[in-house]
Amino acid sequence: DGGITQSPKYLFRKEGQNVTLSCEQNLNHDAMYWYRQDPGQGLRLIYYSQIVNDFQKGDIAEGYSVSREKKESFPLTVTSAQKNPTAFYLCASSRLDWNEQFFGPGTRLTVL
Amino acid sequence: QQQVKQSPQSLIVQKGGISIINCAYENTAFDYFPWYQQFPGKGPALLIAIRPDVSEKKEGRFTISFNKSAKQFSLHIMDSQPGDSATYFCAATNRITGNQFYFGTGTSLTVIP
Repeated sequence: DGGITQSPKYLFRKEGQNVTLSCEQNLNHDAMYWYRQDPGQGLRLIYYSQIVNDFQKGDIAEGYSVSREKKESFPLTVTSAQKNPTAFYLCASSRLDWNEQFFGPGTRLTVL
Repeated sequence: QQQVKQSPQSLIVQKGGISIINCAYENTAFDYFPWYQQFPGKGPALLIAIRPDVSEKKEGRFTISFNKSAKQFSLHIMDSQPGDSATYFCAATNRITGNQFYFGTGTSLTVIP
């Protein structure tokens, strides 16, 4: 059963802590993406990667970091430098030769 | 700045009615325009998409109308059903440099029985 998994579904963090969100795909897609979703603002791109060990910043990369050590995995770390991290985070993947992006179920991060 | 502008922010439609959501873009390099449907607590899922070489695409009750000269496209949901209640996002990208999708701000659709 192919798809994208994100874990955990809900995550709570204290201010000043780093936290890592997991994203795994078994679709054999080369490209992976992280988006942040806030009410009334749509989806905003944080980082994306088209190949292992390479990634690019999106529109709102400040306070976030990523790695792409394996084709299947693209974890996102929300650092303490992110001033307003409470949001719904979505991971997506796609083939390089086709534009359709497939989304995971999301992780809701709440900073206490 | 918002690359894709979407309206309305929310929409309430009676069962059986037509739901219409509009989007506008500025970048003429965009050449792929998908619509995504998102239910609460879930990730968005591709609903229907269009390329600018056609003016309309229909899949079941869902139709995209595309006006290249006006740089606008819209989603029409015919015979709207309560199960269509969700948030809808339009998006745009360039297929050649399709690294980044630009999403609209979303429309929350409620279909009342």
